Amino acid sequence: AQSVTQPDIHITVSEGASLELRCNYSYGATPYLFWYVQSPGQGLQLLLKYFSGDTLVQGIKGFEAEFKRSQSSFNLRKPSVHWSDAAEYFCAATSGTYKYIFGTGTRLKVLA
Amino acid sequence: EAGVAQSPRYKIIEKRQSVAFWCNPISGHATLYWYQQILGQGPKLLIQFQNNGVVDDSQLPKDRFSAERLKGVDSTLKIQPAKLEDSAVYLCASSFTGTAGANVLTFGAGSRLTVL
Repeated sequence: AQSVTQPDIHITVSEGASLELRCNYSYGATPYLFWYVQSPGQGLQLLLKYFSGDTLVQGIKGFEAEFKRSQSSFNLRKPSVHWSDAAEYFCAATSGTYKYIFGTGTRLKVLA
Repeated sequence: EAGVAQSPRYKIIEKRQSVAFWCNPISGHATLYWYQQILGQGPKLLIQFQNNGVVDDSQLPKDRFSAERLKGVDSTLKIQPAKLEDSAVYLCASSFTGTAGANVLTFGAGSRLTVL
């Protein structure tokens, strides 16, 4: 069955530290991949997407993600975290049909 | 451009009561989705419309949930009667087309339902 796994439920980092959020997928073929961010009381906002081509994709707010086919992963990174990055992050995938599958999310806490 | 509008933002009801949520997608977006997001979980698709036709409602609890999209624009999601386990955030999203490679989902702020 198709699935998206985010192994880390909570992550805490200090402001200014680097960040990596993990995402693994299980699909028959390489899906389209997305990272969304959800601030408290808000809907989901797209950070970046991978459709094909360059495996390192740049997104908004200084985020980037790297697609690794051999590891079935699409990890999100940021070199220096800001306090305003505290939120919940969702990885999502779709196979090219309309159905999107979301991971369970990783809640990021940023220490001052 | 204006985003996806949803109302109400918050609703508290007793179990067995009914509730309705409204969504107005981005202008020109043919595809509209309703997701249910239970606390601590990722969004789960309830129903997807392409214009005013239903594409997928396989995960919609049809004994209590209903949705419509009249004229292919606004949509309403109704729950009747509500159960405690329906407490969740109901997210509406829209996209320009239904093909994943050509578009991404744009979400509204959500409607938070609490069933007592």
